Amino acid sequence: SQQGEEDPQALSIQEGENATMNCSYKTSINNLQWYRQNSGRGLVHLILIRSNEREKHSGRLRVTLDTSKKSSSLLITASRAADTASYFCATDENSGGGADGLTFGKGTHLIIQP
Amino acid sequence: EPEVTQTPSHQVTQMGQEVILRCVPISNHLYFYWYRQILGQKVEFLVSFYNNEISEKSEIFDDQFSVERPDGSNFTLKIRSTKLEDSAMYFCASSVTSGVYSEQFFGPGTRLTVL
Repeated sequence: SQQGEEDPQALSIQEGENATMNCSYKTSINNLQWYRQNSGRGLVHLILIRSNEREKHSGRLRVTLDTSKKSSSLLITASRAADTASYFCATDENSGGGADGLTFGKGTHLIIQP
Repeated sequence: EPEVTQTPSHQVTQMGQEVILRCVPISNHLYFYWYRQILGQKVEFLVSFYNNEISEKSEIFDDQFSVERPDGSNFTLKIRSTKLEDSAMYFCASSVTSGVYSEQFFGPGTRLTVL
């Protein structure tokens, strides 16, 4: 799989349920970031997890990182219709250089059914 | 809350024309980035900029592209001679630092349409 590859590609759940999205990557990273994008709009930064962290919370979001498996998951609890969007993971590769560009996955399109 | 802004929101141009996309990063940020997203595809990194020079660039960022910080607030992306395949959403981003703590915040994007 490519760097920052999410699965599933699409997820449809009922409002109130939890949504889990996964991301895999291939290289050593400084951090992994999750973003949300509403259709045709900008990227909203959700959460950053550093390479030495295993779990992080922010409101209804819970992110885990397993560097041994090179994978991360994003859990959205008690989903709402407004959570409908595409979710992307992006990795900041540990290249040892300067300002690293992020490598994005193709995203998971989440639909919350009311 | 401070945010990255971009202008214009939509730019339509003829093939071969030059375009300049403008961004105002968050004021205390030191690292600036450009990305693009072709419709239906991944967001792709183009270039990063720090201390008034390019820090890193991707294979996409060829001689047709250039970046500049003309003053203390603006950050621009210039495409010298646009091609049809340059049609995409272009995002500017900024961060306070680089490395482990580097949260990148994105602007709303400029949709570039090349006819």
